[in-house]
Amino acid sequence: EVQLLESGGGFVQPGGSLRLSCAASGFTFSNYGVTWVRQAPGKGLEWVSAISGRGDTTYYADSVKGRFTISRDNSKNTLYLQMNSLRAEDTAVYYCGKGVLPAAMFSCDYWGQGTLVTVSS
Amino acid sequence: QSALTQPPSASGSPGQSVTISCTGTSSDVGAYNSVSWYQHHPGKAPKLMIYEVSKRPSGVPDRFSGSKSGNTASLTVSGLQAEDEADYYCISYAGSNKLGVFGTGTKVTVL
Repeated sequence: EVQLLESGGGFVQPGGSLRLSCAASGFTFSNYGVTWVRQAPGKGLEWVSAISGRGDTTYYADSVKGRFTISRDNSKNTLYLQMNSLRAEDTAVYYCGKGVLPAAMFSCDYWGQGTLVTVSS
Repeated sequence: QSALTQPPSASGSPGQSVTISCTGTSSDVGAYNSVSWYQHHPGKAPKLMIYEVSKRPSGVPDRFSGSKSGNTASLTVSGLQAEDEADYYCISYAGSNKLGVFGTGTKVTVL
């Protein structure tokens, strides 16, 4: 059974940092691109970042480029999102997702349940 | 990165059909056959309903179908059921620099 489990969310002050993790199981992790999507309170879904199966290609939304870094450790079946210089507008539930096809990085057939990040003073 | 445009709401009675549009530009929806649709119940994980414009993942009922014409993609839900009531989002590939752009979302209500 495919499972994705996010962790690392929490409360942080503006300008601070957090690292989200997404532990994957039930599939060959290194074969699939994975993505982060978020939903701010009362807002719609926003695509944040994605990474290829081998980790050699990364993508970022303009809103997080230069502040967030996506990475993966295929030996640990884990995806990461390092979030620096956090702003109030980064407050959201963050979801990680697995591509339905190896290269389909934002078409995700499995998702975690999400982890809440709150940025506030 | 401008969001794709969706109607804020759509509704239908049980058994009826509802179609949701997703309008982008010649740089995203119109340029690639890479549009996906998600069903989302607030507080829960999104569910992939359609990918690559019209393909259904395993387990998604054939009541859900997707299409595209020019810069506009569409999701049609036929034979509406109560459990179809949710928010629906499209997302399109927008090139190697931007990758994914979501739509504004449509709340589907089953009357």
